[in-house]
Amino acid sequence: GDSVTQMEGPVTLSEEACLTINCTYTATGYPSLFWYVQYPGEGLQLLLKATKADDKGSNKGFEATYRKETTSFHLEKGSVQVSDSAVYFCALPLDSNYQLIWGAGTKLIIKP
Amino acid sequence: DVKVTQSSRYLVKRTGEKVFLECVQDMDHENMFWYRQDPGLGLRLIYFSYDVKMKEKGDIPEGYSVSREKKERFSLILESASTNQTSMYLCASSVRVQGRYEQYFGPGTRLTVT
Repeated sequence: GDSVTQMEGPVTLSEEACLTINCTYTATGYPSLFWYVQYPGEGLQLLLKATKADDKGSNKGFEATYRKETTSFHLEKGSVQVSDSAVYFCALPLDSNYQLIWGAGTKLIIKP
Repeated sequence: DVKVTQSSRYLVKRTGEKVFLECVQDMDHENMFWYRQDPGLGLRLIYFSYDVKMKEKGDIPEGYSVSREKKERFSLILESASTNQTSMYLCASSVRVQGRYEQYFGPGTRLTVT
């Protein structure tokens, strides 16, 4: 069945470091892919999305490219800030209904 | 902007109590969801609803029930709270965008059962 695999955390970086959080998926067809972010004490927010192969989603300095050859949707940022500290979730919509399949979440800690 | 609100941010209840968690969305979305979030376990779907009075079980429905009498409101009910239901509860609603459903979340309710 469809699935999403995310790199385990926590990931700890210094401010201004480069970030990559890996996400790979298995799915039938070519679904949309999402990254959600959860800041401390809050619910989840949609961070970015890509709706087809080779699409690049971007928001708040984060980018992710939908690569069907490697079935990946890695989240990247060139220079992280303390305010980026959060939990990041990769998600894949099920083809058949309204649900999302969620990755386990990756906690990101940015130190000043 | 889509707004999903939950009735409480923090809640403390005793074992055996009946607990109601309320969720309201203001964007006329058809689909609504209840998740629980626990450290190391990620997000787990409890129930979802795709229309008024319609509901479907998610991955972990045991010990929970839901009610959707109006389109904008989706309630999660713990019939007899137990300590293993201490968790963060997240409500979401979803809308179809470019052929796929995007979910929008409320701020969460952190429930402690003592």
